[in-house]
Amino acid sequence: EAQVTQNPRYLITVTGKKLTVTCSQNMNHEYMSWYRQDPGLGLRQIYYSMNVEVTDKGDVPEGYKVSRKEKRNFPLILESPSPNQTSLYFCASGLLAGPETQYFGPGTRLLVL
Amino acid sequence: QKEVEQNSGPLSVPEGAIASLNCTYSDRGSQSFFWYRQYSGKSPELIMFIYSNGDKEDGRFTAQLNKASQYVSLLIRDSQPSDSATYLCAVAPTGNQFYFGTGTSLTVIP
Repeated sequence: EAQVTQNPRYLITVTGKKLTVTCSQNMNHEYMSWYRQDPGLGLRQIYYSMNVEVTDKGDVPEGYKVSRKEKRNFPLILESPSPNQTSLYFCASGLLAGPETQYFGPGTRLLVL
Repeated sequence: QKEVEQNSGPLSVPEGAIASLNCTYSDRGSQSFFWYRQYSGKSPELIMFIYSNGDKEDGRFTAQLNKASQYVSLLIRDSQPSDSATYLCAVAPTGNQFYFGTGTSLTVIP
C-alpha cells in the first residue's frame, strides 16, 4: 500500500529535550515536506526537500532541522523544543515533476510542556 | 509577503445545493493553485489543482482561477453530507514551496 508514515503519532515532551519525528514514504517520491498546523494559522511549511541531500527552508523553519540522507526518509528534528512548537505536524511526499499531488502522512501531535 | 486568505466560515448549505468556497492570494507571480479537503482529525487530501485562468472541472468539483483578480474558487455541485469538511486553499509561487490558507469549514445539511 502506497503511504506516508510518521512516528510517533503522539508525543508529550518537556522544554529543551531533543526529539525527532520520523517520516517515511514507500512511493519513491523525490519531493518531501514538513508542515505544522495550528488553529487560526492554518498549515505552514517548515522545510522541504527535492531529493537526497537537497533541503530548503519553508515559511517557518526556525527551531527545526531536517535531513535527507535516503530518498524514503525525511526526519524532523527539534533540538531544543519550546512550548510554541506545540502543534500538529504533517509530513508529505510527491513526485518532483508534480509536487502538487503530494500525499500527506497521518500527522504527529506534539505537546511541549 | 505571500498570503492566502480564506473566509473561515462556517459555511452551511443544504444537501443538493452548490457550495462556493473562495480564496484570494497576494503573490501576483503565483503559478499553481490547489484545493485540499481535510476531515476532522485527518490529514489533508488533494481535490484539485489549477494552473491556467478559467475553469477546471472534475466530477462535482469546479475550480475557477482569475489571476488578474488574484482569486481562486471551488464550487461543489450537488453537495452531499460527506462533503462536510474543512477546505484548504494553497498556492505554490515557485512550484516547490506551498502556502496554505486557514481553511473554510463547510457543513452540508441533510
